[in-house]
Amino acid sequence: QKEVEQNSGPLSVPEGAIASLNCTYSDRVSQSFFWYRQYSGKSPELIMSIYSNGDKEDGRFTAQLNKASQYVSLLIRDSQPSDSATYLCAVNIEDKIIFGKGTRLHILP
Amino acid sequence: DAGITQSPRYKITETGRQVTLMCHQTWSHSYMFWYRQDLGHGLRLIYYSAAADITDKGEVPDGYVVSRSKTENFPLTLESATRSQTSVYFCASSDGQGGQVQYFGPGTRLTVT
Repeated sequence: QKEVEQNSGPLSVPEGAIASLNCTYSDRVSQSFFWYRQYSGKSPELIMSIYSNGDKEDGRFTAQLNKASQYVSLLIRDSQPSDSATYLCAVNIEDKIIFGKGTRLHILP
Repeated sequence: DAGITQSPRYKITETGRQVTLMCHQTWSHSYMFWYRQDLGHGLRLIYYSAAADITDKGEVPDGYVVSRSKTENFPLTLESATRSQTSVYFCASSDGQGGQVQYFGPGTRLTVT
């Protein structure tokens, strides 16, 4: 059973601080990794994709991938109340995507 | 620019009834997916399709049927609804590029009484 593991949270972070979200996966051959954001009652939306080891930055978001450790993370700098949501880690396995259960992030004003 | 749509958005049905959830995308994406989302389980793949007339089972296919006669449509049918199928159902599509970046529909909230 291929798995993607995330801490369910909630993770509470003060406004303006850095939020750090973590994810581990079990399939060593996975090549594509994604972070989705899901607001309550809404559908998931893609924030970041990352395919190679290292960091990838997009605005306030940085995705980090370490394939040797089977670990992917998402950093959100200068956290805003609008960042309060559930963040889903997803891993491409063959022609499917396996999602983690998500981490609830709460930004404290 | 309709993107991906689902209908109905909300549905209440009784145990034992057949119900079909519709999904339509305007991007001509080759891949389409059906997920259910439940508290404590996250998003779980029910069925997916790599192209018209090609479908495959996901993690939780029991009790569901899919078809894909046209690229843009991917209906999901619950043949005999059970209370355990009460959930939020999301359809998604992908062009298969970028390792399967998926775009989600707005979801259908299904309640089986």
